[in-house]
Amino acid sequence: EAAVTQSPRNKVAVTGGKVTLSCNQTNNHNNMYWYRQDTGHGLRLIHYSYGAGSTEKGDIPDGYKASRPSQENFSLILELATPSQTSVYFCASGDWDYAEQFFGPGTRLTVL
Amino acid sequence: GDKVKQSPSALSLQEGTNSALRCNFSIAATTVQWFLQNPRGSLINLFYLVPGTKENGRLKSAFDSKESYSTLHIRDAQLEDSGTYFCAAEGRANTNKVVFGTGTRLQVLP
Repeated sequence: EAAVTQSPRNKVAVTGGKVTLSCNQTNNHNNMYWYRQDTGHGLRLIHYSYGAGSTEKGDIPDGYKASRPSQENFSLILELATPSQTSVYFCASGDWDYAEQFFGPGTRLTVL
Repeated sequence: GDKVKQSPSALSLQEGTNSALRCNFSIAATTVQWFLQNPRGSLINLFYLVPGTKENGRLKSAFDSKESYSTLHIRDAQLEDSGTYFCAAEGRANTNKVVFGTGTRLQVLP
């Protein structure tokens, strides 16, 4: 029933390793977003997408790539993970003409 | 500086009392969204507002775009209202992107 799902829910990675976080939505929304949440910063936008094949840089894109292969799926890729990327990552979806967003349950990433 | 400022940063309430949370914007916000992040970490949608007010049960929210603020009123607070409340504002560029505040941590005490 959950409309926005994320996998994995928890991940431990090593410094320098590659990490891929996945998001799937069944809302049939055009827009999808990746955020990270850190204490004292609220949620900050990393990358977003207006539809399949499109990705846009958000406010803190350095060290991250994104991929939107289909309407339903949006991935966040850390090519060379660093300890500073330890955080909780949230994916969200939204309809094409509205800013209202609906969030997944989050992924806790620890980079050692 | 912060584009979306929330106040207070933390708050404790006795069960059954009322309170108001506030967001002030330094951007020309066109829409506002309010979320509750529960103790499990899930983000729950509360309101999505254009300028005006909305009410849902014990919650009421208002958004004044001219004065650049939004409020969330909680009436008859219950234990399950505990968590962190976030507001998020969309700027006038209308890119469907939002900026989040840093949250108000609410604890409702029995």
